[in-house]
Amino acid sequence: GNSVTQMEGPVTLSEEAFLTINCTYTATGYPSLFWYVQYPGEGLQLLLKATKADDKGSNKGFEATYRKETTSFHLEKGSVQVSDSAVYFCALRNTGNQFYFGTGTSLTVIP
Amino acid sequence: NAGVMQNPRHLVRRRGQEARLRCSPMKGHSHVYWYRQLPEEGLKFMVYLQKENIIDESGMPKERFSAEFPKEGPSILRIQQVVRGDSAAYFCASSPAGVSPDTQYFGPGTRLTVL
Repeated sequence: GNSVTQMEGPVTLSEEAFLTINCTYTATGYPSLFWYVQYPGEGLQLLLKATKADDKGSNKGFEATYRKETTSFHLEKGSVQVSDSAVYFCALRNTGNQFYFGTGTSLTVIP
Repeated sequence: NAGVMQNPRHLVRRRGQEARLRCSPMKGHSHVYWYRQLPEEGLKFMVYLQKENIIDESGMPKERFSAEFPKEGPSILRIQQVVRGDSAAYFCASSPAGVSPDTQYFGPGTRLTVL
């Protein structure tokens, strides 16, 4: 079946620290992989995506590489800001219209 | 262009009552998706609708849950005879016709609490 496992939070970092949020997946076939971000009081927003193996998605300084050999799609950012405080969801979409989401990782960045 | 709207944002019901959750997709979007997030879990797909049609309801519980997306007006997720286990955040997403289902825009969610 299809599933996503992501790093449990909450994660607290100081401003300008390096961020990694781990995500691994189980899927048949060749899914598309996504990171969504949810700021307080708002809906989920697409942060980045990758549609095939070895693709790198990037946006707003965040990046993640689709690793088929390790079935992973870890999210990284070199220098986090207070404004990055949010909940981050890893997700996959296989054939069909369904997304499969991880449980979310809460990130708090302190000045 | 307003985003996906959901109301109410918070809903409290007693066991046995009905819950009606509304989702207004983005302007021009004709596809709506509903997801449920139970405590400590990820979002789980429930149903995918187009105007006046249910396309995929494979994630919907077999009883008490129904969804519609009429020609006019918002999409409605209806839960009859709610139980405590229905307490969750319910998210709606929309997308325009003719694009990849990768492109889904999410609303802020409705948090349902069943007492």
